[in-house]
Amino acid sequence: DQQVKQNSPSLSVQEGRISILNCDYTNSMFDYFLWYKKYPAEGPTFLISISSIKDKNEDGRFTVFLNKSAKHLSLHIVPSQPGDSAVYFCAAIKDDKIIFGKGTRLHILP
Amino acid sequence: DAGITQSPRHKVTETGTPVTLRCHQTENHRYMYWYRQDPGHGLRLIHYSYGVKDTDKGEVSDGYSVSRSKTEDFLLTLESATSSQTSVYFCAISDQTGTWNEQFFGPGTRLTVL
Repeated sequence: DQQVKQNSPSLSVQEGRISILNCDYTNSMFDYFLWYKKYPAEGPTFLISISSIKDKNEDGRFTVFLNKSAKHLSLHIVPSQPGDSAVYFCAAIKDDKIIFGKGTRLHILP
Repeated sequence: DAGITQSPRHKVTETGTPVTLRCHQTENHRYMYWYRQDPGHGLRLIHYSYGVKDTDKGEVSDGYSVSRSKTEDFLLTLESATSSQTSVYFCAISDQTGTWNEQFFGPGTRLTVL
């Protein structure tokens, strides 16, 4: 069973517009949620996180929103830039282990 | 960038042969992890280590073993490689404080089992 779900395998967004990547989870006991970004032929790199006690965290162009009642989080990128084209993994932490979603490939169109 | 290297970066082997992948860190982090990444599956945890000689299984540990004899090295062994183990393997490290557990990933090893 998939505890962390990213239902959109890919997303295309015009440069300068907002990119919204979505993630759903099933376990209400997760402590932290994270987003990782991955370029081809490289390892994933940490992007932004949010504690389960918060509903929003912002870092520059990146904002993560957490809706605990809906078990849903989203990553907003504003404005989207060409270098944002990558695969984005949503992840959740419980008991020192990270569980990753399958990833969403973001294409930023010129 | 965290000092994590993986070797080899690419390997092609035949079914039934043993394979060992190495992860080396220079950060003195306590925790080390091995993941595999496959299309349609994201990243899945194979094994992890929370200290020298302390290891535990992840969600896809069958067919894999690990060893950690030194803080800086974490080895992943496929005793008898199968085609289903063709994948990209990532090592990660973390130095957990409290409940925060950001992981830093290595560059990956692409393994092909023919």
